[in-house]
Amino acid sequence: EVRLVESGGGWVQPGGSLRLSCAASGFSFEDFAMHWVRQDPGGGLEWVSAINWNSGNLGYADSVKGRFTISRDNARNSLYLQMSSLTTEDTALYYCVKDGSGWPHYLDFWGQGMPVTVTS
Amino acid sequence: QSVLTQPPSASGTPGQRVTISCSGSSSNIGSNIVNWYQKLPGMAPKLLIYSNNQRPSGVPDRFSGSKSGTSASLAISGLQSEDEADYYCATWDDSPNDHVVFGGGTKLTVL
Repeated sequence: EVRLVESGGGWVQPGGSLRLSCAASGFSFEDFAMHWVRQDPGGGLEWVSAINWNSGNLGYADSVKGRFTISRDNARNSLYLQMSSLTTEDTALYYCVKDGSGWPHYLDFWGQGMPVTVTS
Repeated sequence: QSVLTQPPSASGTPGQRVTISCSGSSSNIGSNIVNWYQKLPGMAPKLLIYSNNQRPSGVPDRFSGSKSGTSASLAISGLQSEDEADYYCATWDDSPNDHVVFGGGTKLTVL
């Protein structure tokens, strides 16, 4: 059974940093691209970032480019999102998502999500 | 404002067939595959249709997808009460650089 468990979210002040982690199990993690997608308080979905199977190809939404960094550790079956210079616009539920292939192709399986709240 | 346009709401009675549209442009739907997701309240989104019209294992064949030009549609036949959920379309957008775009979501109500 595929499982994706996010951690590391919480409350942070504007300008602060957070690191999200995603522990994967139930599939061959090193064979699949991974994504971060967020859902804002209004319900809209926004793709944040993607990484291919061997970290050779990274992609970011314009809204987070230069502030967020995606990475993975295939030996630990883990995906990460380092977030810095956070603003209130980054407040959302962050989902770790498995792709359907080794290169970013389509969003396949979603974790349960981790809330991030940026507030003073 | 979402890049892909979906109707905010749709409804149908049990047993009926409903369709949800998703409209985009040449840089997204026009040149990439479309995927559909079902989101039940308090749950994570679930992949319903990938590559325009493919169903993952476990998804009932009551759900079907299609794409034509810069638009796509999700059809649900034999509507059931458990189909009441939010539905989102998504695809890649090539302009100005590759990124995933979503529709704003359609809330389906089973009357």
